[in-house]
Amino acid sequence: NAGVMQNPRHLVRRRGQEARLRCSPMKGHSHVYWYRQLPEEGLKFMVYLQKENIIDESGMPKERFSAEFPKEGPSILRIQQVVRGDSAAYFCASSRSRTAADIQYFGAGTRLSVL
Amino acid sequence: DAKTTQPPSMDCAEGRAANLPCNHSTISGNEYVYWYRQIHSQGPQYIIHGLKNNETNEMASLIITEDRKSSTLILPHATLRDTAVYYCITFNFGNEKLTFGTGTRLTIIP
Repeated sequence: NAGVMQNPRHLVRRRGQEARLRCSPMKGHSHVYWYRQLPEEGLKFMVYLQKENIIDESGMPKERFSAEFPKEGPSILRIQQVVRGDSAAYFCASSRSRTAADIQYFGAGTRLSVL
Repeated sequence: DAKTTQPPSMDCAEGRAANLPCNHSTISGNEYVYWYRQIHSQGPQYIIHGLKNNETNEMASLIITEDRKSSTLILPHATLRDTAVYYCITFNFGNEKLTFGTGTRLTIIP
């Protein structure tokens, strides 16, 4: 039973380019969460999605960032026109349901470096 | 979610029990206490969670005080691989985001 899969593991972009980060949840999980971790800091919540729906995007920057979780395929976190400040580790987590008793399992993350 | 307070760092000798405290004095009745750890720069790893009762699994034990204002994570026989940052998080339905603080950096000493 594979865990949460994220790809790519490392992504290098130049300023102004687009970054696409992918997350495949664990089998049987329909809830996906994205978190960002800046160097030497804790993880910060960005967005929570259920299949085809954004449930909570209160942690997403207002511009350039978007997320989707289509009916088929992985969840995508998209960053347009990247800037150096977007350099961070982006982690995806998934859970089976949205109850507090249901555990969020994390992927290994995508490390984005903006040159 | 309730704010949690943890010591920034702790050391523990290999083979001994590591006891990591967490204060969550403003926790509400339906909030769970979750513990995760992050080894180096890997993704956070779930350890254990509980609501009121003490819990034990293959990784650790969680002791929650009767008033639920604090808890302790116990790693019974610490190994070098347990060196990590440990996060104590309170979490409830309706607010699904996990709020990570700065955690406790646990170093296991050979």
